Order: sequence, then C-alpha cells, then structure tokens
Amino acid sequence: QKEVEQNSGPLSVPEGAIASLNCTYSDRGSQSFFWYRQYSGKSPELIMFIYSNGDKEDGRFTAQLNKASQYVSLLIRDSQPSDSATYLCAVNNDMRFGAGTRLTVKP
Amino acid sequence: NAGVTQTPKFRILKIGQSMTLQCTQDMNHNYMYWYRQDPGMGLKLIYYSVGAGITDKGEVPNGYNVSRSTTEDFPLRLELAAPSQTSVYFCASSSRDRGPDEQFFGPGTRLTVL
Repeated sequence: QKEVEQNSGPLSVPEGAIASLNCTYSDRGSQSFFWYRQYSGKSPELIMFIYSNGDKEDGRFTAQLNKASQYVSLLIRDSQPSDSATYLCAVNNDMRFGAGTRLTVKP
Repeated sequence: NAGVTQTPKFRILKIGQSMTLQCTQDMNHNYMYWYRQDPGMGLKLIYYSVGAGITDKGEVPNGYNVSRSTTEDFPLRLELAAPSQTSVYFCASSSRDRGPDEQFFGPGTRLTVL
C-alpha cells in the first residue's frame, strides 16, 4: 500500500516565526512532489513543486527533498496570519495526497 | 478563462438515489481528475482521465462511474448513493505537455447522503 504521511497537526506558530511542515512517502520510485495550500472551505492551490534532491526556494517558501530518506518538507519563513491554512503534500506518480497539516499563525 | 467549474455546489441525496456531478475545464488540459475529501482528511483519487475516451480507476473508485467524451467535460456518476459517499468532491485538471504537473481544482461539490 503506497502511503503519504504528514506530521500530525495542528501546528501553531507566532507571526514572524518559521513553520516547518513534513511529509514522508512509501513509494521509493516517486519522482515529483507538490505542496498545496487549502484555506478552509476552499479548493487546494499549488504552492511549490520539487523534483530534485536538495532545496528549492520561492519567496518565503522553501521545499526540501531527500529521496534517500523518502522525505519532503516545506518551510515557511516570516510566517503571516494569512498563511493559516491546511497544507497538503502530494506525490504525483499516482496522485496521492497526505491528510494535510493545519497551520495557524498567531498575530 | 473560467478554469475548472463544478456543478452543483451543494446537494442532498437520499440513500439509493443517483446523481451526476458535472465538471468542465476551459484550459484545454488533457488530464482530468475526480477526488473526494472527507472531513479532516486529504484527497482521495476516485477516477482520472488522460484524454477524451480514456479513463482509469484511482484509489477509491467503488460506487462511482465516469466518462470523458470531450476534452472539456468529465462528469462523475454516483449510482445508488450511500451515506459513506457523503463528502466534498473536487474535480481537477492538468496539462502534462510542459512544465510541472500542476493541478487546477474546481470549487468543489458538497454532497450529503441521508
């Protein structure tokens, strides 16, 4: 059974702090990894994707991938209250999503 | 562009009834998907399509059927609705012709089966 696991939430951080969201996957052959943000009652929207080992930065967001450890993470620097949402990790070989981690950024 | 549109937004069904959830995209994407999302859970893939006339099962296909007669439309059919099918249903589309396989999601249909 192929699985995508995310760190259980909810996660609460103060405004301006770094939020760290983690995801592990079981299919060693997975090639592409996506992070989606989902506000309450809304549909998911893509934040970042990563294919290669290492870090990928986009503004305040950094995705980290370690294929040997089957681990992908998302760091949000200078967290803002508007970042409060559920973050979904997706492994795109067979479109599997994790259960999501709910993040709350407190002013 | 309207992107991905879904109808209806909300629906209440009685056990045993049937219905079709509509999904249309105007981005000329070849790939389309149907997911369900139960409360506090991630998305589970029901069916997907790689192009008109081609569909395949996802992780949770039982109790559902799909068809893809055009590039734009990908309806999801529920036969003999059951309480276990109470969920939010999202349709998505993507183009794998270039760049990352970003999925664009519709606004969702909230279905309750009583």
